[in-house]
Amino acid sequence: LAKTTQPISMDSYEGQEVNITCSHNNIATNDYITWYQQFPSQGPRFIIQGYKTKVTNEVASLFIPADRKSSTLSLPRVSLSDTAVYYCLVIMDSNYQLIWGAGTKLIIKP
Amino acid sequence: DTAVSQTPKYLVTQMGNDKSIKCEQNLGHDTMYWYKQDSKKFLKIMFSYNNKELIINETVPNRFSPKSPDKAHLNLHINSLELGDSAVYFCASSQDLGAGNQPQHFGDGTRLSIL
Repeated sequence: LAKTTQPISMDSYEGQEVNITCSHNNIATNDYITWYQQFPSQGPRFIIQGYKTKVTNEVASLFIPADRKSSTLSLPRVSLSDTAVYYCLVIMDSNYQLIWGAGTKLIIKP
Repeated sequence: DTAVSQTPKYLVTQMGNDKSIKCEQNLGHDTMYWYKQDSKKFLKIMFSYNNKELIINETVPNRFSPKSPDKAHLNLHINSLELGDSAVYFCASSQDLGAGNQPQHFGDGTRLSIL
Protein backbone atom coordinates (compact mmCIF):
# COMPACT_ATOMS: atom_id res chain seq x y z
CA LEU A 1 0.00 0.00 0.00
CA ALA A 2 1.50 3.32 -1.08
CA LYS A 3 2.09 5.75 1.73
CA THR A 4 3.89 9.02 2.41
CA THR A 5 5.24 9.70 5.88
CA GLN A 6 6.45 13.00 7.27
CA PRO A 7 7.11 14.38 10.79
CA ILE A 8 4.07 15.71 12.60
CA SER A 9 5.75 18.92 13.72
CA MET A 10 8.99 20.87 13.71
CA ASP A 11 10.27 24.03 15.38
CA SER A 12 12.96 26.39 14.17
CA TYR A 13 14.13 29.99 14.48
CA GLU A 14 14.12 32.92 12.14
CA GLY A 15 17.06 32.96 9.76
CA GLN A 16 17.70 29.23 9.99
CA GLU A 17 17.46 26.70 7.18
CA VAL A 18 14.68 24.17 7.69
CA ASN A 19 14.60 20.72 6.13
CA ILE A 20 11.45 18.59 6.14
CA THR A 21 11.77 15.02 4.91
CA CYS A 22 9.02 12.84 3.49
CA SER A 23 9.41 9.12 2.93
CA HIS A 24 7.61 7.41 0.04
CA ASN A 25 9.03 3.90 -0.12
CA ASN A 26 6.64 2.61 -2.79
CA ILE A 27 7.17 5.40 -5.30
CA ALA A 28 7.09 4.20 -8.90
CA THR A 29 9.18 5.22 -11.87
CA ASN A 30 6.91 7.91 -13.28
CA ASP A 31 5.52 9.33 -10.04
CA TYR A 32 6.22 12.99 -9.21
CA ILE A 33 6.77 14.46 -5.76
CA THR A 34 5.07 17.73 -4.89
CA TRP A 35 5.09 19.89 -1.77
CA TYR A 36 2.36 22.24 -0.61
CA GLN A 37 2.14 24.91 2.09
CA GLN A 38 -1.04 25.67 4.01
CA PHE A 39 -1.76 28.70 6.19
CA PRO A 40 -4.74 28.77 8.58
CA SER A 41 -8.07 29.42 6.87
CA GLN A 42 -6.56 28.97 3.41
CA GLY A 43 -6.25 26.16 0.92
CA PRO A 44 -2.91 24.43 0.33
CA ARG A 45 -0.60 26.27 -2.03
CA PHE A 46 1.93 24.69 -4.39
CA ILE A 47 5.57 25.26 -3.36
CA ILE A 48 7.77 22.99 -5.45
CA GLN A 49 7.76 19.79 -7.45
CA GLY A 50 10.41 17.34 -8.55
CA TYR A 51 11.18 13.99 -10.07
CA LYS A 52 14.83 13.38 -9.21
CA THR A 53 18.03 15.03 -7.94
CA LYS A 54 17.52 18.68 -7.03
CA VAL A 55 15.03 21.37 -7.93
CA THR A 56 15.24 24.97 -6.78
CA ASN A 57 12.88 27.89 -7.14
CA GLU A 58 12.56 31.29 -5.53
CA VAL A 59 11.13 29.96 -2.27
CA ALA A 60 12.53 26.46 -1.70
CA SER A 61 14.70 23.58 -2.83
CA LEU A 62 13.71 19.95 -3.17
CA PHE A 63 16.30 17.22 -2.80
CA ILE A 64 15.50 13.72 -4.08
CA PRO A 65 18.07 10.92 -3.69
CA ALA A 66 18.73 8.45 -6.48
CA ASP A 67 16.41 5.75 -5.08
CA ARG A 68 13.59 8.36 -4.80
CA LYS A 69 12.26 6.72 -1.63
CA SER A 70 12.35 10.04 0.16
CA SER A 71 12.44 13.74 -0.57
CA THR A 72 13.53 16.74 1.48
CA LEU A 73 11.98 20.16 1.28
CA SER A 74 14.52 22.82 2.19
CA LEU A 75 13.44 26.33 3.21
CA PRO A 76 16.40 28.71 3.36
CA ARG A 77 16.53 31.44 6.00
CA VAL A 78 12.99 31.03 7.33
CA SER A 79 10.95 33.89 8.72
CA LEU A 80 7.95 33.99 11.04
CA SER A 81 5.68 34.00 8.00
CA ASP A 82 6.88 30.51 7.06
CA THR A 83 4.92 29.12 10.01
CA ALA A 84 2.46 26.78 8.28
CA VAL A 85 1.62 23.15 7.60
CA TYR A 86 3.68 21.55 4.84
CA TYR A 87 2.34 18.58 2.88
CA CYS A 88 4.16 16.06 0.73
CA LEU A 89 2.19 14.53 -2.17
CA VAL A 90 2.98 11.67 -4.52
CA ILE A 91 0.69 11.19 -7.51
CA MET A 92 0.77 7.63 -8.78
CA ASP A 93 1.05 7.76 -12.54
CA SER A 94 -0.35 4.22 -12.89
CA ASN A 95 -3.81 4.90 -11.47
CA TYR A 96 -3.88 8.65 -10.63
CA GLN A 97 -4.06 7.87 -6.91
CA LEU A 98 -3.12 10.85 -4.73
CA ILE A 99 -0.96 9.89 -1.75
CA TRP A 100 -0.85 12.82 0.66
CA GLY A 101 1.30 12.96 3.74
CA ALA A 102 -0.36 13.89 7.02
CA GLY A 103 1.35 17.28 7.02
CA THR A 104 4.20 18.77 9.06
CA LYS A 105 3.30 21.70 11.27
CA LEU A 106 6.29 24.04 11.15
CA ILE A 107 6.56 26.72 13.82
CA ILE A 108 9.14 29.46 13.40
CA LYS A 109 10.16 31.31 16.54
CA PRO A 110 11.73 34.77 16.78
CA ASP B 1 -9.47 37.29 -10.08
CA THR B 2 -9.82 34.27 -7.80
CA ALA B 3 -8.60 31.16 -9.61
CA VAL B 4 -10.62 28.59 -7.66
CA SER B 5 -13.63 29.90 -5.78
CA GLN B 6 -15.96 28.03 -3.46
CA THR B 7 -19.27 29.08 -1.99
CA PRO B 8 -20.29 29.33 0.71
CA LYS B 9 -17.23 29.98 2.86
CA TYR B 10 -19.10 28.93 6.00
CA LEU B 11 -22.04 26.56 6.30
CA VAL B 12 -23.77 25.84 9.59
CA THR B 13 -26.74 23.50 9.47
CA GLN B 14 -28.71 20.90 11.35
CA MET B 15 -28.14 17.17 11.23
CA GLY B 16 -30.32 15.50 8.62
CA ASN B 17 -30.41 18.47 6.24
CA ASP B 18 -29.26 18.46 2.61
CA LYS B 19 -26.74 21.04 1.45
CA SER B 20 -24.62 21.92 -1.57
CA ILE B 21 -21.21 23.50 -2.00
CA LYS B 22 -20.29 25.11 -5.28
CA CYS B 23 -16.89 25.37 -6.92
CA GLU B 24 -15.72 27.20 -10.00
CA GLN B 25 -12.29 27.54 -11.57
CA ASN B 26 -11.29 30.11 -14.19
CA LEU B 27 -7.92 28.57 -15.03
CA GLY B 28 -9.11 26.54 -17.98
CA HIS B 29 -8.10 23.33 -16.22
CA ASP B 30 -9.45 19.93 -17.23
CA THR B 31 -9.41 18.31 -13.78
CA MET B 32 -11.20 19.23 -10.57
CA TYR B 33 -11.16 17.66 -7.10
CA TRP B 34 -13.00 17.65 -3.81
CA TYR B 35 -11.12 17.11 -0.56
CA LYS B 36 -12.19 16.78 3.06
CA GLN B 37 -9.87 18.11 5.76
CA ASP B 38 -10.63 17.08 9.32
CA SER B 39 -9.64 18.75 12.56
CA LYS B 40 -6.27 16.94 12.52
CA LYS B 41 -5.51 18.53 9.13
CA PHE B 42 -5.55 15.25 7.20
CA LEU B 43 -6.32 15.95 3.55
CA LYS B 44 -8.53 13.21 2.15
CA ILE B 45 -9.34 13.09 -1.55
CA MET B 46 -13.02 12.43 -2.15
CA PHE B 47 -13.60 12.81 -5.86
CA SER B 48 -11.83 13.83 -9.02
CA TYR B 49 -13.38 14.78 -12.34
CA ASN B 50 -11.57 15.10 -15.64
CA ASN B 51 -13.48 16.89 -18.41
CA LYS B 52 -16.75 16.28 -16.55
CA GLU B 53 -16.02 12.56 -16.16
CA LEU B 54 -15.63 10.96 -12.73
CA ILE B 55 -12.12 9.57 -12.40
CA ILE B 56 -11.47 9.11 -8.68
CA ASN B 57 -14.19 8.08 -6.27
CA GLU B 58 -12.66 7.20 -2.94
CA THR B 59 -14.56 5.42 -0.21
CA VAL B 60 -17.10 8.12 0.45
CA PRO B 61 -20.68 7.57 1.64
CA ASN B 62 -23.15 7.77 -1.22
CA ARG B 63 -24.78 10.69 0.62
CA PHE B 64 -22.06 12.71 -1.12
CA SER B 65 -22.72 13.30 -4.79
CA PRO B 66 -20.52 15.43 -7.01
CA LYS B 67 -21.91 17.07 -10.11
CA SER B 68 -19.95 18.66 -12.93
CA PRO B 69 -22.15 20.65 -15.32
CA ASP B 70 -19.06 21.72 -17.28
CA LYS B 71 -15.35 21.42 -16.79
CA ALA B 72 -15.12 24.75 -14.97
CA HIS B 73 -17.56 23.71 -12.24
CA LEU B 74 -17.66 20.87 -9.74
CA ASN B 75 -20.37 21.05 -7.12
CA LEU B 76 -20.77 18.80 -4.09
CA HIS B 77 -24.19 17.85 -2.80
CA ILE B 78 -24.53 16.21 0.60
CA ASN B 79 -27.72 14.47 1.72
CA SER B 80 -28.79 13.68 5.27
CA LEU B 81 -25.90 15.47 6.94
CA GLU B 82 -24.32 13.77 9.94
CA LEU B 83 -22.18 15.10 12.79
CA GLY B 84 -19.11 13.41 11.32
CA ASP B 85 -19.45 15.49 8.16
CA SER B 86 -18.23 18.55 10.03
CA ALA B 87 -14.93 19.49 8.37
CA VAL B 88 -13.40 21.88 5.88
CA TYR B 89 -14.09 20.92 2.28
CA PHE B 90 -11.62 22.06 -0.37
CA CYS B 91 -12.10 22.25 -4.09
CA ALA B 92 -9.02 22.14 -6.32
CA SER B 93 -8.15 22.02 -10.00
CA SER B 94 -5.18 21.02 -12.13
CA GLN B 95 -4.40 21.16 -15.80
CA ASP B 96 -4.43 17.42 -16.26
CA LEU B 97 -5.03 14.43 -14.00
CA GLY B 98 -2.64 12.11 -15.75
CA ALA B 99 0.38 14.36 -15.57
CA GLY B 100 1.84 14.13 -12.08
CA ASN B 101 3.81 17.28 -12.69
CA GLN B 102 0.76 19.53 -12.87
CA PRO B 103 0.24 21.31 -9.53
CA GLN B 104 -3.19 21.62 -7.99
CA HIS B 105 -4.75 25.01 -7.25
CA PHE B 106 -6.99 25.08 -4.20
CA GLY B 107 -9.91 27.20 -3.13
CA ASP B 108 -10.00 28.63 0.38
CA GLY B 109 -12.36 25.99 1.68
CA THR B 110 -15.91 25.67 2.96
CA ARG B 111 -16.19 25.23 6.71
CA LEU B 112 -19.14 22.93 7.35
CA SER B 113 -20.46 22.67 10.89
CA ILE B 114 -23.26 20.26 11.76
CA LEU B 115 -25.32 21.06 14.83
